[in-house]
Amino acid sequence: GEDVEQSLFLSVREGDSSVINCTYTDSSSTYLYWYKQEPGAGLQLLTYIFSNMDMKQDQRLTVLLNKKDKHLSLRIADTQTGDSAIYFCAPGSGANNLFFGTGTRLTVIP
Amino acid sequence: EPEVTQTPSHQVTQMGQEVILRCVPISNHLYFYWYRQILGQKVEFLVSFYNNEISEKSEIFDDQFSVERPDGSNFTLKIRSTKLEDSAMYFCASTSGGGSREQYFGPGTRLTVT
Repeated sequence: GEDVEQSLFLSVREGDSSVINCTYTDSSSTYLYWYKQEPGAGLQLLTYIFSNMDMKQDQRLTVLLNKKDKHLSLRIADTQTGDSAIYFCAPGSGANNLFFGTGTRLTVIP
Repeated sequence: EPEVTQTPSHQVTQMGQEVILRCVPISNHLYFYWYRQILGQKVEFLVSFYNNEISEKSEIFDDQFSVERPDGSNFTLKIRSTKLEDSAMYFCASTSGGGSREQYFGPGTRLTVT
């Protein structure tokens, strides 16, 4: 299977930008997803990017993909306390199964 | 907005007992999945299901596990003889496939094996 690595923790101040990074090993991943998990809750699909794109912006979220380095990042602009959660990077191939990273716990300090 | 639902939200069972976890995928979706997350660990793929058969399964999905789509709406995961290490959160997911690549997850069932 694919190896997906993420930093475990990130703390930012409210109003600042957050950048969550992810590296993966399978270059055949065609869709790369970001999921959010709040405490005790399920996995909420935030956004995803096709492998033929470098960047995708969706309101406060910006996804950057460096396919050569197999590096994916999620930037959250104007981070709010409600953004505190665990963020999972999950590369996949179409309707095939997803491989999840360890998750990055984002803590937003008021 | 359509969503994936799962029941029960929490299941407690004794070691060796059989459990069935239930999921209702989004109605027009064709691909179904089970994942699990042991407390504090990453989410792991178990099995995918399409056209009434398993399309892919992981090493975790051994003979103790089975999946079924008994009718047009439910998708179930059965664990025949539970072990302590089966304690985890189990997530069901679905996608329509085709032009859509978005896997939507249910809220999960927390399984506790004592």
